[in-house]
Amino acid sequence: NAGVTQTPKFQVLKTGQSMTLQCAQDMNHEYMSWYRQDPGMGLRLIHYSVGAGITDQGEVPNGYNVSRSTTEDFPLRLLSAAPSQTSVYFCASSPLLGSNQPQHFGDGTRLSIL
Amino acid sequence: AQSVSQHNHHVILSEAASLELGCNYSYGGTVNLFWYVQYPGQHLQLLLKYFSGDPLVKGIKGFEAEFIKSKFSFNLRKPSVQWSDTAEYFCAVKDTDKLIFGTGTRLQVFP
Repeated sequence: NAGVTQTPKFQVLKTGQSMTLQCAQDMNHEYMSWYRQDPGMGLRLIHYSVGAGITDQGEVPNGYNVSRSTTEDFPLRLLSAAPSQTSVYFCASSPLLGSNQPQHFGDGTRLSIL
Repeated sequence: AQSVSQHNHHVILSEAASLELGCNYSYGGTVNLFWYVQYPGQHLQLLLKYFSGDPLVKGIKGFEAEFIKSKFSFNLRKPSVQWSDTAEYFCAVKDTDKLIFGTGTRLQVFP
């Protein structure tokens, strides 16, 4: 049971480049989410999904897109990277609608935008 | 929308000292509260959670938290910390279908 798998673990981009952060879970969880972690700001919710085909915005959605075509995958897209998006990104999933069950977190993607 | 405040940003303790980390959430009603821990270089792990019932919740590794509804608080405690407790601790609250985190408290424990 791999849990929540994030790829890549590290990435360096130039301003204006695009990229997709991958997140996959093998626990058949309905709920998936993306957070960014910045020093002194904790974890801030970017986007979340309560099931395949359904996504919604979190606290800091600007500059990011998501899709949920399958239960297992929840990719996060940066269409035009900006230095302000330098951060550590965590994907999480939980089994039920909403967050009554604890989140299972991936190992994170450390992203630097030059 | 719910919000979470963690007033202790950085706590430094010696081994065997007692620990209490503050967590306050913004408004009442039915709340689901969590404490997560992030050890250096690792992802977040659940320490403990409160959904209902006994307001004193016991978690892993000797941690506990007390839900005090009148104070909108969910403080984390441990009677005697160890060097291995060095980590960042996050309080979180469920807000409809989102989990909102506090800014975190960095705990350093020295031998």
